[in-house]
Amino acid sequence: DSGVTQTPKHLITATGQRVTLRCSPRSGDLSVYWYQQSLDQGLQFLIQYYNGEERAKGNILERFSAQQFPDLHSELNLSSLELGDSALYFCASSPRAGSFTLHFGNGTRLTVT
Amino acid sequence: DAKTTQPTSMDCAEGRAANLPCNHSTISGNEYVYWYRQIHSQGPQYIIHGLKNNETNEMASLIITEDRKSSTLILPHATLRDTAVYYCIVRVHQAGTALIFGKGTTLSVSS
Repeated sequence: DSGVTQTPKHLITATGQRVTLRCSPRSGDLSVYWYQQSLDQGLQFLIQYYNGEERAKGNILERFSAQQFPDLHSELNLSSLELGDSALYFCASSPRAGSFTLHFGNGTRLTVT
Repeated sequence: DAKTTQPTSMDCAEGRAANLPCNHSTISGNEYVYWYRQIHSQGPQYIIHGLKNNETNEMASLIITEDRKSSTLILPHATLRDTAVYYCIVRVHQAGTALIFGKGTTLSVSS
C-alpha cells in the first residue's frame, strides 16, 4: 500500500461530459503529480502541485485542470470529454517539490463512450 | 535532460538474477538515475536511485559505471511477481520538474 488514495477506481461516462478525479496524498507529502496512461502513449506527465501551488506543467490539455486544496488533496477535472481521453489516470505524491521518490496510487480508469 | 535507452524486453528464469541495463550516455553531473517498475495496470513503484555510487536496498541493487554513461538494475533472485515494465529515468533534483517515463523494459520472469 503506497498510502496514496485515488477515487473513484473506475469511471464510465459519455463524450462531452465532465468528471472529477480525486487524490489524497501520502500523509506528510506536500507534492502531488498527475499522470495519464493510455495504451498508445505510455505514462504522460500532466501537472504537479506543491503545497497548493502549481509547480510544473506537462502535456495537459486546456480541457483539463487541477488544483490542490489546503488539506493537500488534489482534484483533476476533465471536461468536454472525448473518446481519446479514455485512460488510466495516476496520482503520485512526494515529500518535496524536487524529490522524485514518488508514491503512486492505483489509478482511476476512465472510459469515455 | 539526458535521454535513456533500454532494451524493449528481457526474459529471466525464476530464482536467477535479473540484470536490466540502461544507457544514458549524455547524462550530466547533477543528474540522478532513477528506476521504477509498473506491474500490469498498477501504479508505478519506486525501486532505487543513485548519483555516482552503487546503491542497494531491500528490492534491488543499482550499479552505475564510473563514467556514469550507463547503469544496471539488479534483482538478485527474480520471482514471478517481478514480471513488470522497468523504467530507467535520469533527472536533476530540481523543483518545477517531473519524472518523464519512457517505454521501459518489459521483464518476463518464468518458472
